[in-house]
Amino acid sequence: DAGVIQSPRHEVTEMGQEVTLRCKPISGHNSLFWYRQTMMRGLELLIYFNNNVPIDDSGMPEDRFSAKMPNASFSTLKIQPSEPRDSAVYFCASSFDSGDQPQHFGDGTRLSIL
Amino acid sequence: GNSVTQMEGPVTLSEEAFLTINCTYTATGYPSLFWYVQYPGEGLQLLLKATKADDKGSNKGFEATYRKETTSFHLEKGSVQVSDSAVYFCALSDRSSYKLIFGSGTRLLVRP
Repeated sequence: DAGVIQSPRHEVTEMGQEVTLRCKPISGHNSLFWYRQTMMRGLELLIYFNNNVPIDDSGMPEDRFSAKMPNASFSTLKIQPSEPRDSAVYFCASSFDSGDQPQHFGDGTRLSIL
Repeated sequence: GNSVTQMEGPVTLSEEAFLTINCTYTATGYPSLFWYVQYPGEGLQLLLKATKADDKGSNKGFEATYRKETTSFHLEKGSVQVSDSAVYFCALSDRSSYKLIFGSGTRLLVRP
């Protein structure tokens, strides 16, 4: 079975550019989560969706970050304009709609802003 | 609020040694508890879970028991291998919001 699919795996771009990260959750899962991982701050939840609706975006660092989920099989995380401090690994995860169910993670997008 | 505390790493062991990684939690209600493992360059993978008190989760030789009285979920393995070298995360689920609350992670290094 296909797991959570993220693209691109690696992204290197210059500061000020727009960056779009993509995620395809596991089919049938109705919760989707975006995380950021850095050495300094560890794993941080940025935003999560339930049934395509954003439920909690309190972890989004600032207005430069935005996320959408236009349908059950696709989500994007956009950074505009990007800054060097946004460099991190960004993970997408999905799960069934239950606190007993584990989240399944993608392999992440390693983002470097020069 | 809910929180998870893990022992600081790195933990360095020789192959075939016994492993314990401590995890304690603070939560309202009765959360589910999870251990995730992250190998270099990869995402987090579910290692095991327990959904109620006294449940024991197990997988690949790893075990953890949900201890409500001590609010703990310590990870153990009787004989580690070099291939177990990774970062291990303890987590609890917030049943009202489906969010996972993660510990800070513990890096394990197993030497031949």
